[in-house]
Amino acid sequence: QKEVEQNSGPLSVPEGAIASLNCTYSDRVSQSFFWYRQYSGKSPELIMSIYSNGDKEDGRFTAQLNKASQYVSLLIRDSQPSDSATYLCAVSTGANSKLTFGKGITLSVRP
Amino acid sequence: GAVVSQHPSRVICKSGTSVKIECRSLDFQATTMFWYRQFPKQSLMLMATSNEGSKATYEQGVEKDKFLINHASLTLSTLTVTSAHPEDSSFYICSARENRGGVDGYTFGSGTRLTVV
Repeated sequence: QKEVEQNSGPLSVPEGAIASLNCTYSDRVSQSFFWYRQYSGKSPELIMSIYSNGDKEDGRFTAQLNKASQYVSLLIRDSQPSDSATYLCAVSTGANSKLTFGKGITLSVRP
Repeated sequence: GAVVSQHPSRVICKSGTSVKIECRSLDFQATTMFWYRQFPKQSLMLMATSNEGSKATYEQGVEKDKFLINHASLTLSTLTVTSAHPEDSSFYICSARENRGGVDGYTFGSGTRLTVV
């Protein structure tokens, strides 16, 4: 079983719609969860971090964490064409708190 | 915010030569840094965890004698790809971990595009 799994993509939504990205993880003791956005040829940039159960909102982005279900999601409201990128879910695990990434999902926002 | 500087951003080298990549935390001390490799259309794969003052911990399948990691100070970690071959061509990215108020934050360098010809 892969440590961090994301829905296979790509995901295409019209401009203004809500994009929903999902992620599950296998290590029950994981404490830190992240969503990164990566444009082609660039390094990942942090979108959201979440550490406790529930929702966390930042502008158009909302992260949701459910540790009992080992599930973390990202909602993007009012999607814009500039949101088109690959979104990576990452989970901190292990003694060194190493960050393990899901395979990512490519989001395309249609004008 | 935290800044991690990674150099060079691009490098082309001949097969059989060695390449060194530097990763510096500019405004914080990073006892732990991570090195990732990313092939086209794939996710980031962790290569090794670099701890200041001690030997790096390599992930399964990563050759420690080929990918030399040195973390001699709290702000600098280096990755040296030795005897590079075309299959080592990839995007290498470093990350530095900082604990702030009991929670971990990870800052990424801008990445190094390595092409071995």
